[in-house]
Amino acid sequence: KQEVTQIPAALSVPEGENLVLNCSFTDSAIYNLQWFRQDPGKGLTSLLLIQSSQREQTSGRLNASLDKSSGRSTLYIAASQPGDSATYLCAATNTGNQFYFGTGTSLTVIP
Amino acid sequence: DAGITQSPRYKITETGRQVTLMCHQTWSHSYMFWYRQDLGHGLRLIYYSAAADITDKGEVPDGYVVSRSKTENFPLTLESATRSQTSVYFCASSLDTNTGELFFGEGSRLTVL
Repeated sequence: KQEVTQIPAALSVPEGENLVLNCSFTDSAIYNLQWFRQDPGKGLTSLLLIQSSQREQTSGRLNASLDKSSGRSTLYIAASQPGDSATYLCAATNTGNQFYFGTGTSLTVIP
Repeated sequence: DAGITQSPRYKITETGRQVTLMCHQTWSHSYMFWYRQDLGHGLRLIYYSAAADITDKGEVPDGYVVSRSKTENFPLTLESATRSQTSVYFCASSLDTNTGELFFGEGSRLTVL
């Protein structure tokens, strides 16, 4: 069974800092890796989807990379803003039609 | 584009009562999922469906029943609610689990007294 880990569980940074969130997975035979954002009391919003054949995806200030061989994905946030404060989750898909989620990193950007 | 909607958003019920949480998606996605989210456990898969009339158990299916008579609807029923089922429930859908994105509803917060 795929195990997905996100460390640290919480992160606090000053506004303007560039930061990296980490996602590790145990089974490298993934189809894709997806990053989500969750605001308090809300559902999960898809940020970026990286297919297994891709190395990275970019959207605005966000860049996600995927290294299947090492079982790692990172989400890079450039020039962080207070509005980026949220919980970020990653999910990997393997065979079996299931998405395996990490427990998330709670990000606080201090003005 | 309504996307994926859940109802009710908030529900309070008593132990032993039957509760149904509704999920409706407008994209004609083949796959639909029910998760529960609890502090300390993250997201746990309850049931999923690959197509109409095809459902399968996830990690924590006990005490829950699902059906999928139409592609767009995937209701989740708690046949006899227990306090341990107090949680936030999320419905999600995907066109294709191999290459497609997973999209979530806003969640249904259920409290069982």
